[in-house]
Amino acid sequence: DGGITQSPKYLFRKEGQNVTLSCEQNLNHDAMYWYRQDPGQGLRLIYYSQIVNDFQKGDIAEGYSVSREKKESFPLTVTSAQKNPTAFYLCASSSGNGPQETQYFGPGTRLLVL
Amino acid sequence: SQKIEQNSEALNIQEGKTATLTCNYTNYSPAYLQWYRQDPGRGPVFLLLIRENEKEKRKERLKVTFDTTLKQSLFHITASQPADSATYLCALLTGGGNKLTFGTGTQLKVEL
Repeated sequence: DGGITQSPKYLFRKEGQNVTLSCEQNLNHDAMYWYRQDPGQGLRLIYYSQIVNDFQKGDIAEGYSVSREKKESFPLTVTSAQKNPTAFYLCASSSGNGPQETQYFGPGTRLLVL
Repeated sequence: SQKIEQNSEALNIQEGKTATLTCNYTNYSPAYLQWYRQDPGRGPVFLLLIRENEKEKRKERLKVTFDTTLKQSLFHITASQPADSATYLCALLTGGGNKLTFGTGTQLKVEL
């Protein structure tokens, strides 16, 4: 099956801890994105990558970091500097011909702070 | 400031009726507008894309209009079914064409 997988489905973070959310796609897409969704709010862009070994900050990058070492993988690290990390995190990909193209989303990871 | 507004209140309609959802935006000049469906606890799923030079786009029971003068898009679901119950998000191509910016979404509930 082609698609995007995210793991884990639920993740618990302790104070001061860094955690990494996984995102893998087998759609052969060049572009990948990370969004954060809070209750009653729309998706907000954290980071995006249009090609391997390159990525750009989105609207709310502070407290987050990413890497794009492989085309199919775009992990997101939520660092201890992110003071309000509780949210639903969504990874997406697109063909890379531009964000006007359809974005395909993963099932999401819900991050909770202990 | 730039804003994308969708009705925050849930829209409740009866099965078989046409549901109409609104997306208004200010201080954007998007070349493209997309609509997505999101079910609880899941990622959004793409439904339709409409370009600035298109007035209307249809796909099965779905219809989207795009009025760049009014800065508004309308999303219609005809002959609505309980299975259409979900949150619907509009998204604009922004940032010089580099990213999508999403509205907050409108929850639709179709009742028997």
